[in-house]
Amino acid sequence: SQKIEQNSEALNIQEGKTATLTCNYTNYSPAYLQWYRQDPGRGPVFLLLIRENEKEKRKERLKVTFDTTLKQSLFHITASQPADSATYLCALSSFNQAGTALIFGKGTTLSVSS
Amino acid sequence: DVKVTQSSRYLVKRTGEKVFLECVQDMDHENMFWYRQDPGLGLRLIYFSYDVKMKEKGDIPEGYSVSREKKERFSLILESASTNQTSMYLCASSSGQGTVLYGYTFGSGTRLTVV
Repeated sequence: SQKIEQNSEALNIQEGKTATLTCNYTNYSPAYLQWYRQDPGRGPVFLLLIRENEKEKRKERLKVTFDTTLKQSLFHITASQPADSATYLCALSSFNQAGTALIFGKGTTLSVSS
Repeated sequence: DVKVTQSSRYLVKRTGEKVFLECVQDMDHENMFWYRQDPGLGLRLIYFSYDVKMKEKGDIPEGYSVSREKKERFSLILESASTNQTSMYLCASSSGQGTVLYGYTFGSGTRLTVV
């Protein structure tokens, strides 16, 4: 069956360090992958999209990699700040005859301490 | 500022009631989605629509139906609410067609409690 796994439920790091979050998937061949940030009680907010033919994407302090051979994406936040504390969700495109929708992982909650 | 608006932030309904959750987007997006989010289970797709009057089942459509009479509005209907439908409901929209789907814009969510 199809499965998306984010490496851990929680990740605690110190301010200024690089946070690395992992997303693994099985039995998918996604055309692209997206990352979202979700704060408590709020809807997720789109951060980055990376396509299957792209190895890496950057946006300010964020970097995403996509390895279709390993079936894995890494999400990095450099120079992390307490304001980066949130839950981060990985999402894969799933296409069938009905159309395309995103399937989400369960998320990793990042806590950045000062 | 573009946005997705969900009509209610919090709702409490009784078992057996018919419940309507409304979602409106102002971005002229073709695609709209309903998810529910539960602790330990993450976001699960209920229904989606890629055009007016079109609807497709997601992973957990049982007990739900949807309506999309206008491009900007996508309604989720709980035909007969049950306690296991207590959850956070999230609506989202995006542009894109076929295999191409751009980033979602989510609403703030409706926390529904069925008693």
